[in-house]
Amino acid sequence: GAVVSQHPSRVICKSGTSVKIECRSLDFQATTMFWYRQFPKQSLMLMATSNEGSKATYEQGVEKDKFLINHASLTLSTLTVTSAHPEDSSFYICSAKQGVVTEAFFGQGTRLTVV
Amino acid sequence: SQELEQSPQSLIVQEGKNLTINCTSSKTLYGLYWYKQKYGEGLIFLMMLQKGGEEKSHEKITAKLDEKKQQSSLHITASQPSHAGIYLCGAGHGSGNTGKLIFGQGTTLQVKP
Repeated sequence: GAVVSQHPSRVICKSGTSVKIECRSLDFQATTMFWYRQFPKQSLMLMATSNEGSKATYEQGVEKDKFLINHASLTLSTLTVTSAHPEDSSFYICSAKQGVVTEAFFGQGTRLTVV
Repeated sequence: SQELEQSPQSLIVQEGKNLTINCTSSKTLYGLYWYKQKYGEGLIFLMMLQKGGEEKSHEKITAKLDEKKQQSSLHITASQPSHAGIYLCGAGHGSGNTGKLIFGQGTTLQVKP
């Protein structure tokens, strides 16, 4: 299957700072990328859909000014958590798909801890 | 909106035993995915089912989608400690599979040696 890489895998940041998470498709062009969030012992919740060259579509209840998504190229989408607070601590995971291909491939996730 | 309900939420089995995890949808499924996750790690794709009555197997894991396409089951035969983890079912949104998924709450499996 196709490979999706996330970086970093773990990050600790101070409250009030911003942190950027990268999601890269290594061997295919990802026209669409999805960002999910997972709290401890809970399932994945879709945050937003990112289409290359256009604005991201956010799910209800997700603050677009807090979670900035940029999908500037067909192989890279970034999620920036701005002015992070301890309640933003979570596991963030992306998935990417190519064109009309139905399957989306997941990255390995990023564990964010805000102290 | 569509919801996925998994059962059981957690499961502890003795090594060598068989087990089944169920995933029930509130709406017709147009693509049902099974993933395995180690806590705090990424998702490992297991199988995707699309057609009513479809059944797929990989090693000792078999997944089925019922005829009405509203329920799927994941069956593990002769479980091993390596099967331990969180099993998630995911479904595509709406009638077109955009790659955007909603997930069940997960089933945590422990296999005792």
